[in-house]
Amino acid sequence: DQQVKQNSPSLSVQEGRISILNCDYTNSMFDYFLWYKKYPAEGPTFLISISSIKDKNEDGRFTVFLNKSAKHLSLHIVPSQPGDSAVYFCAARVYGQNFVFGPGTRLSVLP
Amino acid sequence: DGGITQSPKYLFRKEGQNVTLSCEQNLNHDAMYWYRQDPGQGLRLIYYSQIVNDFQKGDIAEGYSVSREKKESFPLTVTSAQKNPTAFYLCASSTRQGMNTEAFFGQGTRLTVV
Repeated sequence: DQQVKQNSPSLSVQEGRISILNCDYTNSMFDYFLWYKKYPAEGPTFLISISSIKDKNEDGRFTVFLNKSAKHLSLHIVPSQPGDSAVYFCAARVYGQNFVFGPGTRLSVLP
Repeated sequence: DGGITQSPKYLFRKEGQNVTLSCEQNLNHDAMYWYRQDPGQGLRLIYYSQIVNDFQKGDIAEGYSVSREKKESFPLTVTSAQKNPTAFYLCASSTRQGMNTEAFFGQGTRLTVV
């Protein structure tokens, strides 16, 4: 039973356009959410996070939106660049417990 | 330079052999984790440790063992009891679980059973 879902296994976007990666969760107790980026044969690197008391967090080209009532969060990348091509993992945690990761979405940014 | 180091990057093992993957961190983190990634799948938690000399099973602990004798080190042993050991293994660390901070990952070890 997946608590964190990323229903799109892959996404292709034109360079310069917006990339929107989606994540849904089932556990209403999650209070902290993160996005990681992963290149092949490397470890994931942290991108951005959001606490459940907020609905938006922005860091440069990356913005995360949280909709608690819908149990949904999304990562927006604007503008998308070829170097953004990677697998993106959504993760969540309940206070004091472990991170739970989604299955990932492979983003391809086309030049 | 603070970070988390996994070694080796690539590892080959014959069936029936145990093998140990190394994970060292100099971030002064209390919590450490081992994950497994299979093609097309997310990260699945094998074991985690919140403090020295204590560790807990994750979702897929069968066939694995760990130790946490030092804060900096959290080695993972893949035993011969693990049915499908070929995978990409990731070690991570974070500050105590109660704090809203991210986990930092190592570069991973790709284990192949031959």
